[in-house]
Amino acid sequence: QKEVEQNSGPLSVPEGAIASLNCTYSDRGSQSFFWYRQYSGKSPELIMFIYSNGDKEDGRFTAQLNKASQYVSLLIRDSQPSDSATYLCALVTQGGSEKLVFGKGTKLTVNP
Amino acid sequence: DAGITQSPRHKVTETGTPVTLRCHQTENHRYMYWYRQDPGHGLRLIHYSYGVKDTDKGEVSDGYSVSRSKTEDFLLTLESATSSQTSVYFCAISTSGRNEQFFGPGTRLTVL
Repeated sequence: QKEVEQNSGPLSVPEGAIASLNCTYSDRGSQSFFWYRQYSGKSPELIMFIYSNGDKEDGRFTAQLNKASQYVSLLIRDSQPSDSATYLCALVTQGGSEKLVFGKGTKLTVNP
Repeated sequence: DAGITQSPRHKVTETGTPVTLRCHQTENHRYMYWYRQDPGHGLRLIHYSYGVKDTDKGEVSDGYSVSRSKTEDFLLTLESATSSQTSVYFCAISTSGRNEQFFGPGTRLTVL
């Protein structure tokens, strides 16, 4: 199993819906988890980070972490066409020492 | 914007020529990283630096070297460019031990 797995999509949701993006990982010792958004032709932009089990909310975004099941998810409420982008999951593995491992990303399209 | 610039932003070169990409930051962050991003592979770490003159290899370091003689600059050199090094290169910085990384705008390199 690869270290970080994401469904490549594309994931298509209607405007106003909840978009759910998922990421699973193999290293049980992973401590820090990040979600980046990348618009086509642009650089990745950090939108959420989470370190503890449970939910973390920031505006329309909620990150959820379940270390026992080794998954982290990102929920986008009231999805907007401007949310259309590729979302990258990243984490620091045990002993990773400031090195992030990235998933390949999930492409999200929000349809007006 | 974490005060990161990359130069050049676009470059076309020929196989066998040396190429140097520059990453410059204005905020005195300790950690700096070089990634490449390719379709189907996602973001992959090439080299990183944890201080002036302190560097280490990442996942895909073959054919690349780096140097960091000043806190603000991190250089990536392709000793003899090959077509397989055609990619988009991103520099990133880390602001603290919490591992969030912020990315520069990227350099699109084409090796003919």
